[in-house]
Amino acid sequence: GAVVSQHPSWVICKSGTSVKIECRSLDFQATTMFWYRQFPKQSLMLMATSNEGSKATYEQGVEKDKFLINHASLTLSTLTVTSAHPEDSSFYICSARDVVGRLNTEAFFGQGTRLTVV
Amino acid sequence: AQKITQTQPGMFVQEKEAVTLDCTYDTSDPSYGLFWYKQPSSGEMIFLIYQGSYDQQNATEGRYSLNFQKARKSANLVISASQLGDSAMYFCAMRDGAGKSTFGDGTTLTVKP
Repeated sequence: GAVVSQHPSWVICKSGTSVKIECRSLDFQATTMFWYRQFPKQSLMLMATSNEGSKATYEQGVEKDKFLINHASLTLSTLTVTSAHPEDSSFYICSARDVVGRLNTEAFFGQGTRLTVV
Repeated sequence: AQKITQTQPGMFVQEKEAVTLDCTYDTSDPSYGLFWYKQPSSGEMIFLIYQGSYDQQNATEGRYSLNFQKARKSANLVISASQLGDSAMYFCAMRDGAGKSTFGDGTTLTVKP
């Protein structure tokens, strides 16, 4: 099946620094990627929709200047958490949709990134 | 707006028995997809089963089956012959035509030996 690789799987950073998370579709082209955030024992909340070659669409309440998304190619989207604070500590997970965009394809998820800001 | 409701925060089942995890949904779109995912403690999201809104038959994938009742807007997951490795968080999700997914709050399943 299709594979989405997310890197790093975990990261610890100091407060005030920036962290970049990569999401790659390994064997298919993804025109659209989605970034989710998940707090412990809670559901996945969509943060933004990343479209190749255009600006990301952010969900209400998500600061676009804090969570920078770049989707420069059909196989790579990046999420940068800028000036990270302890409250940004969370599990971030991406998913990708292939260019065919079939509704009945499984959502291809990355392995997730556990961010801890100290 | 789409909404997924999972009313069971936690469920227990004896090994080798069957268990049903509830999921109801709300949408005004005529075309949608319903999914179930398993999330073990490692955090990865594992796809289990899919049901399309126009599918006439209930989806099945090995020990997983989806009890789809469109009129009641429910899409319950049935796991037969539970195994210890089935202990995990289970999420019901709905995807719209744009590929955006809405997730329920999840159900933590614990399989007892």
